[in-house]
Amino acid sequence: DTEVTQTPKHLVMGMTNKKSLKCEQHMGHRAMYWYKQKAKKPPELMFVYSYEKLSINESVPSRFSPECPNSSLLNLHLHALQPEDSALYLCASSQGLATSGQGEAFFGQGTRLTVV
Amino acid sequence: AQSVTQLDSQVPVFEEAPVELRCNYSSSVSVYLFWYVQYPNQGLQLLLKYLSGSTLVKGINGFEAEFNKSQTSFHLRKPSVHISDTAEYFCAVSKGTGFQKLVFGTGTRLLVSP
Repeated sequence: DTEVTQTPKHLVMGMTNKKSLKCEQHMGHRAMYWYKQKAKKPPELMFVYSYEKLSINESVPSRFSPECPNSSLLNLHLHALQPEDSALYLCASSQGLATSGQGEAFFGQGTRLTVV
Repeated sequence: AQSVTQLDSQVPVFEEAPVELRCNYSSSVSVYLFWYVQYPNQGLQLLLKYLSGSTLVKGINGFEAEFNKSQTSFHLRKPSVHISDTAEYFCAVSKGTGFQKLVFGTGTRLLVSP
């Protein structure tokens, strides 16, 4: 199983709503990532979790709150978002360090989020 | 800090023709280089990677890339493209240590027509 599964595939939410994006992998990977991709732009890193601890936060606004309940799951909690937060949110995972030759990231299909 | 430049935002090509998508990087340290493909409304799929060793890297779907340290380039090539290769292609770099903090180029849209 080399899949990263994201749910839901599409999400429409109002600016006062609270919602969560979910990501799951069963490859035994110890690093998981959230990326944000605006239309016709490259993905931009938001957060990195390694061994279930937050390693990198790329100065993301607090209305985005990541959570890693266990080594297979990664959530992104959303609250009070703005229309400009509408984007494709991609989850990824990697097994280990790049130097081990096993560090490449596997991406999920993404959640397309629309904030109205 | 690393950065990646993909000069061509769009490359039109006819089916069965060869194609080269250009990627240049800048970094003061050793880097690892990747090419990812994104089909419409999909996530990213790894095409190939350069970590070390042979500078000619072969990937999936008949793609290959050559790492050129002196020219700081990692161009992607395919000798004969198919309609199904129409997609967005991203070159990416990571610092080569730690986990994959990837920095992506702006992408090149490959348009294959009959």
